[in-house]
Amino acid sequence: DAEITQSPRHKITETGRQVTLACHQTWNHNNMFWYRQDLGHGLRLIHYSYGVQDTNKGEVSDGYSVSRSNTEDLPLTLESAASSQTSVYFCASSDGGHNEQFFGPGTRLTVL
Amino acid sequence: ILNVEQSPQSLHVQEGDSTNFTCSFPSSNFYALHWYRWETAKSPEALFVMTLNGDEKKKGRISATLNTKEGYSYLYIKGSQPEDSATYLCALDSNYQLIWGAGTKLIIKP
Repeated sequence: DAEITQSPRHKITETGRQVTLACHQTWNHNNMFWYRQDLGHGLRLIHYSYGVQDTNKGEVSDGYSVSRSNTEDLPLTLESAASSQTSVYFCASSDGGHNEQFFGPGTRLTVL
Repeated sequence: ILNVEQSPQSLHVQEGDSTNFTCSFPSSNFYALHWYRWETAKSPEALFVMTLNGDEKKKGRISATLNTKEGYSYLYIKGSQPEDSATYLCALDSNYQLIWGAGTKLIIKP
């Protein structure tokens, strides 16, 4: 069965370190998204991609970057982790248009 | 920045009762309206994607209606069951990106 996976599921890091969160989908979807979810907020879009070599900034992109070298993967990098980036991160994908998004299980990141 | 509002923020409902909650959005930026169900410790899962004014969709005991002209959608749950306890999210599809509401947390009391 097609799926979308994230790794690691939990990560503790220190302020200033570079961290990369992996997202891998086997749906063959063109569109991939990274969100963060914090108490009191809805899901907030960090970055998104509509296909290989395409990346776009979302609402809260400062301090994050992504790359899309193939259809399956959209890794999210925190260049220099800050405590404000402690959050739960969700990756999602969709097959384009206005279709539903499929979510990964999430990564809980703690920056000390 | 577009704003999607959901109300109420949380809701306690007796098992067996029916309930509904609201998603409001700016009608001028509408492409589609999504509803998702998010159970604790799991990931959001899509319930409905609605695009047409007056559209009504149904999945079992859950249904949704859409009014694009006035910018709102209702989600209804008939005969609530404990397994309906979850956070229900709506999201406005604005140019292929989703703008999310903060959700309505539904708790079903046995």
